[in-house]
Amino acid sequence: DTEVTQTPKHLVMGMTNKKSLKCEQHMGHRAMYWYKQKAKKPPELMFVYSYEKLSINESVPSRFSPECPNSSLLNLHLHALQPEDSALYLCASSQGPVERTSGNTIYFGEGSWLTVV
Amino acid sequence: KNEVEQSPQNLTAQEGEFITINCSYSVGISALHWLQQHPGGGIVSLFMLSSGKKKHGRLIATINIQEKHSSLHITASHPRDSAVYICAVITAGGGNKLTFGTGTQLKVEL
Repeated sequence: DTEVTQTPKHLVMGMTNKKSLKCEQHMGHRAMYWYKQKAKKPPELMFVYSYEKLSINESVPSRFSPECPNSSLLNLHLHALQPEDSALYLCASSQGPVERTSGNTIYFGEGSWLTVV
Repeated sequence: KNEVEQSPQNLTAQEGEFITINCSYSVGISALHWLQQHPGGGIVSLFMLSSGKKKHGRLIATINIQEKHSSLHITASHPRDSAVYICAVITAGGGNKLTFGTGTQLKVEL
């Protein structure tokens, strides 16, 4: 199983809603990532969890709240988002930190398309 | 100037053609990824390189660390190769972060 599974694939939410994006992998990977991607732009790193601890937060607004309940799951809780937050949200995982090159391929999910209205 | 530059930005090829996409970077790196993204959104990692050359099917990736340059080659291109190809580097000492190029939009026509 070399999959990173993201749900939902599409989400439309109002600015006052609270919703969550979910990500799951069963490859035994200990590093998991959230990226945000706007149209025709490369992905931007939001958060990195390493061994279930938040290791990088790229100055993301607090309306995005990550959670890593166990080594297989990564959530992104959304609250009071703005229309400019509409984007593709990508989850990824790797066996260990991406800086260690011994076989540390990064695996991405299909993404969750978020529209904030 | 971006730390990772790709060329060309857009490329249209005829089926069967040999395709080359280039990536140049200005920082010290520990490794480089070539990624493929289809319109549906998901990203697939094609190669991770820290030196030399790798081959997988019709895809070949090379890297020259001294010249800070990598190339992705597609032999006998096919319409299903149409996608965005992204070069991403792991900067030396940069922690758990990929730095992405702006991508190359490839369209292969019949």
